[in-house]
Amino acid sequence: KQEVTQIPAALSVPEGENLVLNCSFTDSAIYNLQWFRQDPGKGLTSLLLIQSSQREQTSGRLNASLDKSSGRSTLYIAASQPGDSATYLCAVKRNGANNLFFGTGTRLTVIP
Amino acid sequence: DGGITQSPKYLFRKEGQNVTLSCEQNLNHDAMYWYRQDPGQGLRLIYYSQIVNDFQKGDIAEGYSVSREKKESFPLTVTSAQKNPTAFYLCASSPPNQPQHFGDGTRLSIL
Repeated sequence: KQEVTQIPAALSVPEGENLVLNCSFTDSAIYNLQWFRQDPGKGLTSLLLIQSSQREQTSGRLNASLDKSSGRSTLYIAASQPGDSATYLCAVKRNGANNLFFGTGTRLTVIP
Repeated sequence: DGGITQSPKYLFRKEGQNVTLSCEQNLNHDAMYWYRQDPGQGLRLIYYSQIVNDFQKGDIAEGYSVSREKKESFPLTVTSAQKNPTAFYLCASSPPNQPQHFGDGTRLSIL
């Protein structure tokens, strides 16, 4: 069974810092990996999706990398802003499966 | 605007009562999903449906039921058999092998 772990569970940084969020998964037979943002009491917003054949994806200040063989992904946020404060979730889709397996999330606070 | 609409935003259930959460999408997506989120935990899959009139159990289907009579709609019923229903419920939809789009969720509490 696929297990997804995110460390740390919570992170506080001052505004302007670059930061890295970590995601690890136990089964490397994945179809893709996705990073989501969740604001309090809201649904999920997709940030980046990396196919299993890709190494990284970039969108604005966000960069996600994937190392399938080691079962790891990182989300890099450059020049953090208070508006980046939210919970960040990673999720993997296994080969042949229809659903996503989610990590428990990292709650990010960017201090002005 | 295209999107996924979940209603109500907040719902309260009495002991022994069944309640139904609504999920409607106008994105013309074939697949729809229901997840449950508990504090400090990731999302767990309850049920999913790939096409109309077909659905499969997820990891935590006990105490829940669904129907998929229309492509746009995938309601979730939380039955009295679900002994710990207090949670945040999220509905999602997607085209085949594409990213899932999520609604804003329904928070269910016990009276």
